[in-house]
Amino acid sequence: DAGVIQSPRHEVTEMGQEVTLRCKPISGHDYLFWYRQTMMRGLELLIYFNNNVPIDDSGMPEDRFSAKMPNASFSTLKIQPSEPRDSAVYFCASSLKRTGVEKLFFGSGTQLSVL
Amino acid sequence: AQSVTQLGSHVSVSEGALVLLRCNYSSSVPPYLFWYVQYPNQGLQLLLKYTTGATLVKGINGFEAEFKKSETSFHLTKPSAHMSDAAEYFCAVEKGGTSYGKLTFGQGTILTVHP
Repeated sequence: DAGVIQSPRHEVTEMGQEVTLRCKPISGHDYLFWYRQTMMRGLELLIYFNNNVPIDDSGMPEDRFSAKMPNASFSTLKIQPSEPRDSAVYFCASSLKRTGVEKLFFGSGTQLSVL
Repeated sequence: AQSVTQLGSHVSVSEGALVLLRCNYSSSVPPYLFWYVQYPNQGLQLLLKYTTGATLVKGINGFEAEFKKSETSFHLTKPSAHMSDAAEYFCAVEKGGTSYGKLTFGQGTILTVHP
């Protein structure tokens, strides 16, 4: 399996622009997570989905952020409009829940720089 | 609310020396505990996890961790450091149940291994 695939790897944009980050989870996984990593705040869970349905979006910083999962093999995280403080590495992770706690498989992340 | 504290943002050891990375947690219920490793420009990889049962957990690459409920600790150790162990390590806690997948991460510890 190719693992969790995120695109783009790097994104540089100007303040006010719309940014869309993409994620393809591991085939068959039923949970998908979006995390953000910054020096100041470390790793934070933004939102997660179960069977394509958003379960908890309490970590989404504000209305400028939105996430969708139109099908089991694709998810997007959108920031509109973007601001310099959104600069961070955004990770997508997926997992398959069986009868116990399963591990998360992380993608390589998208490094976002908002100028 | 859960929290994770990693003591020491940077740890430096000599190759062949003992590695000890400290993690303390607070949780209102018995938690699930994890250690993840992040190599440069990569996503996180699970090293090991504790859910229930034996409190000494063995993971990949020779790492192990011991869950000590009385000390609310989950320190990561490796008897002999290798140059390839240089990376950033994250301790994480999950409350389990309906909080499946909602990991709270520590701030991370950068491990440097010198010859």
